Amino acid sequence: QQKVQQSPESLSVPEGGMASFNCTSSDRNFQYFWWYRQHSGEGPKALMSIFSDGDKKEGRFTAHLNKASLHVSLHIRDSQPSDSALYFCAASDHNNNAPRFGAGTKLTVKP
Amino acid sequence: AQTIHQWPVAEIKAVGSPLSLGCTIKGKSSPNLYWYWQATGGTLQQLFYSITVGQVESVVQLNLSASRPKDDQFILSTEKLLLSHSGFYLCAWSPGLGGRNEQYFGPGTRLTVL
Repeated sequence: QQKVQQSPESLSVPEGGMASFNCTSSDRNFQYFWWYRQHSGEGPKALMSIFSDGDKKEGRFTAHLNKASLHVSLHIRDSQPSDSALYFCAASDHNNNAPRFGAGTKLTVKP
Repeated sequence: AQTIHQWPVAEIKAVGSPLSLGCTIKGKSSPNLYWYWQATGGTLQQLFYSITVGQVESVVQLNLSASRPKDDQFILSTEKLLLSHSGFYLCAWSPGLGGRNEQYFGPGTRLTVL
């Protein structure tokens, strides 16, 4: 079983709509969470990190972390066609181990 | 500003042939460097990391090896390619080890093994 599970596998929203992504980890040692976005044919780029319980907002992006339930989410409001990409959740522990990436969620924003 | 360059952009190679992929980081001294592999549309798997010249740690080998001959250069190679080596290879750097550090990815190299 993957240590970092993402849902849904794919998502389609209309332009201007809200896109929501979920990520659940099965390892209580994971303390640091990142969301990365990858456009087709490019390398991933970090969107935001979240290390503490609660919400973190950066522009149109809001992340939420609940360490007790090992759940992190990402919400994009006012989605744009340029937001169409693959979104990855990455989780790390306190040690210097490699981050674990989820399988990704493919977002399509339709004009 | 830091820049990360990968070469080649794409490769088509035969099974059993050798491979060498490269990565250079400019504008950052002593970066932590990483190699990732990504199946088409799939998740990212870290393969190797290096915190200093000449030292490379293996995370998942996949019959590949890595070297760091210079502070700003990371090389991924194998003497014999397998079909399973096909995919997208990404080099990344971070300012430190550990989950608090962002990974900065390069543009990637698309490898097709036939």
